[in-house]
Amino acid sequence: AQSVTQPDIHITVSEGASLELRCNYSYGATPYLFWYVQSPGQGLQLLLKYFSGDTLVQGIKGFEAEFKRSQSSFNLRKPSVHWSDAAEYFCAVGAGQAGTALIFGKGTTLSVSS
Amino acid sequence: DAGVIQSPRHEVTEMGQEVTLRCKPISGHDYLFWYRQTMMRGLELLIYFNNNVPIDDSGMPEDRFSAKMPNASFSTLKIQPSEPRDSAVYFCASGRGFTYEQYFGPGTRLTVT
Repeated sequence: AQSVTQPDIHITVSEGASLELRCNYSYGATPYLFWYVQSPGQGLQLLLKYFSGDTLVQGIKGFEAEFKRSQSSFNLRKPSVHWSDAAEYFCAVGAGQAGTALIFGKGTTLSVSS
Repeated sequence: DAGVIQSPRHEVTEMGQEVTLRCKPISGHDYLFWYRQTMMRGLELLIYFNNNVPIDDSGMPEDRFSAKMPNASFSTLKIQPSEPRDSAVYFCASGRGFTYEQYFGPGTRLTVT
């Protein structure tokens, strides 16, 4: 069965420092991979997606993610974190028939210290 | 585009009462999803529709939950009777076929006392 694992429940990063959030997936075929961000009291916003092609994808707000098939990973990165990046981040994999359900990880909460 | 619209944003009700949550998807999207988010269980898919037809309702916790989509621009999630363990944030999301991209509404925070 398809699954998504985000090993880190909570991460604290200093403002201006680099960030990497980990995501591992389990899926037999080529996955469709996503990162979403949820600010407190808000819905989820799509940050970036990987469908095929270049394994390094760029998203909004300066985020990028790299798909590594050999490691079944899709880690999210940002070179310099801003205080406004504090939020919860969800990795998701599209499974089954195209356009249907996403399987979400449990999320990683990012805190930014000054 | 206004995005996915959900109402109400907050709902407080007493155990045993009927609760109806509403969702207006993004125009042109043919998929609609209902999720529930809690601290304990994270984000759970409850049901989703394609072209107004329910496709998979295996995530609906029990018969107290029901969802409808009478037309392409409106869906409801109903809980009858409500119980304290139903307290959660309920999200509606919509998407366009063959993309897996889903766009989420702001959610409805439900508290059942």
